Amino acid sequence: GAVVSQHPSRVICKSGTSVKIECRSLDFQATTMFWYRQFPKQSLMLMATSNEGSKATYEQGVEKDKFLINHASLTLSTLTVTSAHPEDSSFYICSVPRYNEQFFGPGTRLTVL
Amino acid sequence: TQLLEQSPQFLSIQEGENLTVYCNSSSVFSSLQWYRQEPGEGPVLLVTVVTGGEVKKLKRLTFQFGDARKDSSLHITAAQPGDTGLYLCAGGSQGNLIFGKGTKLSVKP
Repeated sequence: GAVVSQHPSRVICKSGTSVKIECRSLDFQATTMFWYRQFPKQSLMLMATSNEGSKATYEQGVEKDKFLINHASLTLSTLTVTSAHPEDSSFYICSVPRYNEQFFGPGTRLTVL
Repeated sequence: TQLLEQSPQFLSIQEGENLTVYCNSSSVFSSLQWYRQEPGEGPVLLVTVVTGGEVKKLKRLTFQFGDARKDSSLHITAAQPGDTGLYLCAGGSQGNLIFGKGTKLSVKP
């Protein structure tokens, strides 16, 4: 498999501020990572595909200027929620694909006040 | 657009009972995965099925992939409180997964 970590696990911020979430692949070099969002009692929704060395690919309806993704290295992708608003409060999860499977991080709970 | 529908959405049973969760689609998938997710944590991969008609067992959990690779089921025998969680099926190719909405299972002692 693959071991994936996320930091922070929980973050609370004020409306209008920006929040950075890190996703690290600890034992596998990943040219691609995925970012998902999960609202309470709902399933995971793919937000974007993070590509090392190139721009991220965003799913329809996801604002690329609001959710900035940087795949800085083969082991690190970051998601920055810019000018966060209460409606951005959610559980953000990254995953690393390996072969035909995906291995998920533990998630980051974002609460915007 | 590929969609995966899971049923039931919610399931509350007593310890020791058996249950089956279904994952259905009108599309063919090269593989399907089953995940279990606990509150506040990321999904954990349980199994991947790739061959039509395939059956995989993981202790008290039995996973089956339909012959046409459009559907899958998860059967749990003698459920225990530790089986409580959200069960998600996911399918797709090239690492880009589509998730079902999940089945929230609650097993009461």
